[in-house]
Amino acid sequence: QQPVQSPQAVILREGEDAVINCSSSKALYSVHWYRQKHGEAPIFLMILLKGGEQKGHDKISASFNEKKQQSSLYLTASQLSYSGTYFCLPSNSNSGYALNFGKGTSLLVTP
Amino acid sequence: DARVTQTPRHKVTEMGQEVTMRCQPILGHNTVFWYRQTMMQGLELLAYFRNRAPLDDSGMPKDRFSAEMPDATLATLKIQPSEPRDSAVYFCASGGGGSVGQPQHFGDGTRLSIL
Repeated sequence: QQPVQSPQAVILREGEDAVINCSSSKALYSVHWYRQKHGEAPIFLMILLKGGEQKGHDKISASFNEKKQQSSLYLTASQLSYSGTYFCLPSNSNSGYALNFGKGTSLLVTP
Repeated sequence: DARVTQTPRHKVTEMGQEVTMRCQPILGHNTVFWYRQTMMQGLELLAYFRNRAPLDDSGMPKDRFSAEMPDATLATLKIQPSEPRDSAVYFCASGGGGSVGQPQHFGDGTRLSIL
């Protein structure tokens, strides 16, 4: 079953902030986040594991709430290079079973 | 940098023809994924392997699709016979560590058009 991402699309001006949410109907063990630019392959951003930790990568950070079965990606002071489609990939165990990617959130950062 | 290599990068063929896509995972990675990406469906998991054994191919139409790993350095995805609805970008990804906690590294994809 596919996780639900919101919003589907967002347009920002450079320097603005954004939040992308990912919700699952199943209990979660971990969540991956990826970014894909047009015509390119998805690139791994970060993994969050069970425990509610928050991680950061440059000005992109994420949180994971396994009780609420959701994760959020935070983009702070957005840059033009942040434009692309963001995908979450949740997993319900560490045993090797991966769930499907969300449908993605398209992010456009304008000057 | 180590990369996942996919061939061919582009393929245009007529309906009914056999299509074979190949993937060379990153050396040492023991998990290989095949995805299909379309505008309508997004990224769909077709199949994945661990240590060359198929773990899940429930996302793959069994009547025409098949996936194999003849050895640790090669994964193949075949479509026979191909149909126009198979037109999509097919990505291979590999991961290490035997755990879904490890990141997936994607190849550049095969852009498939079935006429």
